[in-house]
Amino acid sequence: DAGVTQSPTHLIKTRGQQVTLRCSPKSGHDTVSWYQQALGQGPQFIFQYYEEEERQRGNFPDRFSGHQFPNYSSELNVNALLLGDSALYLCASSSTGNQPQHFGDGTRLSIL
Amino acid sequence: ELKVEQNPLFLSMQEGKNYTIYCNYSTTSDRLYWYRQDPGKSLESLFVLLSNGAVKQEGRLMASLDTKARLSTLHITAAVHDLSATYFCAVFSGGGADGLTFGKGTHLIIQP
Repeated sequence: DAGVTQSPTHLIKTRGQQVTLRCSPKSGHDTVSWYQQALGQGPQFIFQYYEEEERQRGNFPDRFSGHQFPNYSSELNVNALLLGDSALYLCASSSTGNQPQHFGDGTRLSIL
Repeated sequence: ELKVEQNPLFLSMQEGKNYTIYCNYSTTSDRLYWYRQDPGKSLESLFVLLSNGAVKQEGRLMASLDTKARLSTLHITAAVHDLSATYFCAVFSGGGADGLTFGKGTHLIIQP
């Protein structure tokens, strides 16, 4: 049973560019959340997708956008990259109820 | 705005000793999670605490929740080196979805 998978593992971009990160949820999960984890910090909630709609958003600018597909997989897009966007981006999936979110291994994004 | 504070942020202890990590949060919530993160790895779910007075135990780790005090504790008994990791508490934000607000994490080093 595959867990949450993310791609790519690592990515290097320059300021001003755009990036797309991808996530496939754990089998049986229909909700995908994205988090940004800066070095030495806890993950920060970006947004959550359910039924192909963004249903909750954290304190991130509109440069951060996402999408969920009918198969529940999801993309995170970041436009006009800034140096401060360098971080580990984590995808987490869950189903309804109180069960914990399951996290993928993350995409390490470096902005030069 | 929900704020989650953990302390200590860094803890170095010897094998065989006991210690407690504290997690305080600022607004009412009925769900709290503890996660473990090893260096370069993703987050692993440890405990889900759903009600006042909830106590969960797994091996040398025990977590508890006091919703009235807005406090959760993670107690380590007779620490062993394999428990060295960063531990995060995360609180359910509410608002119709289940985005989590994380603490900054407690970096735990257990020395032989």
